Amino acid sequence: EIVMTQSPDSLGVSLGERASINCKSSQSILDTSNGQNNLTWYQQKPGQPPKLLIYWASTRESGVPDRFSGSGSGTDFTLSISDLQAEDVAIYYCQHHFGGPPTFGQGTRLEIK
Amino acid sequence: QVQLVQSGAEVKKPGSSVKVSCKASGGALKTHAFVWVRQAPGQGPEWMGGIIPMYGRVTYAQRFQGRVAIAADEYTNTVSLELASLRSEDTATYFCARSRSSATTSHFYDHWGQGTLVIVS
Repeated sequence: EIVMTQSPDSLGVSLGERASINCKSSQSILDTSNGQNNLTWYQQKPGQPPKLLIYWASTRESGVPDRFSGSGSGTDFTLSISDLQAEDVAIYYCQHHFGGPPTFGQGTRLEIK
Repeated sequence: QVQLVQSGAEVKKPGSSVKVSCKASGGALKTHAFVWVRQAPGQGPEWMGGIIPMYGRVTYAQRFQGRVAIAADEYTNTVSLELASLRSEDTATYFCARSRSSATTSHFYDHWGQGTLVIVS
């Protein structure tokens, strides 16, 4: 089973500044047959289900503000949120879907500093 | 517009079973795969298993093998999860989610139910 490890566990960022959340997989999740990284980012607010933000490591879901961007390949990935807004306060999770059961990271709590 | 609506909260005794349903509207079941993900209080999500209604194929996470059953009813457009031999560690919110793919449950999930709290006590 692939283990997903996020860092940091929590993060405080000032409004208007940039937040970066890292996700590392215990083995590569790059599908060499199509060049896609099987990595997804979700946002979860209290009392709500996870919301799809980014898939294939860097493709933004329809309706997601372009302040959210994803990058990385192989085993190391980053979710970046520029111009942080109050509504971005949430827990962010990465998830892989490459071989075996999909697994999620432990989450990164993003707060306003 | 796709919507997944789950059944209500449950309180169960240890050793009993629970069944959670997820009714899909805005599309036929066969056009997508569906999964169940649970989240214990303060923890990250955990994938339990899924079903591909088009093929009738079900996959379970190994740790739940033998006490979990996932089914789909295309006539009511409903997916269900049954978990048996409940223990206190099964206390969690259970979510159904729709895979973007029609052919695999190991994918990313673009629509989620509102969640069903199951308390085992």
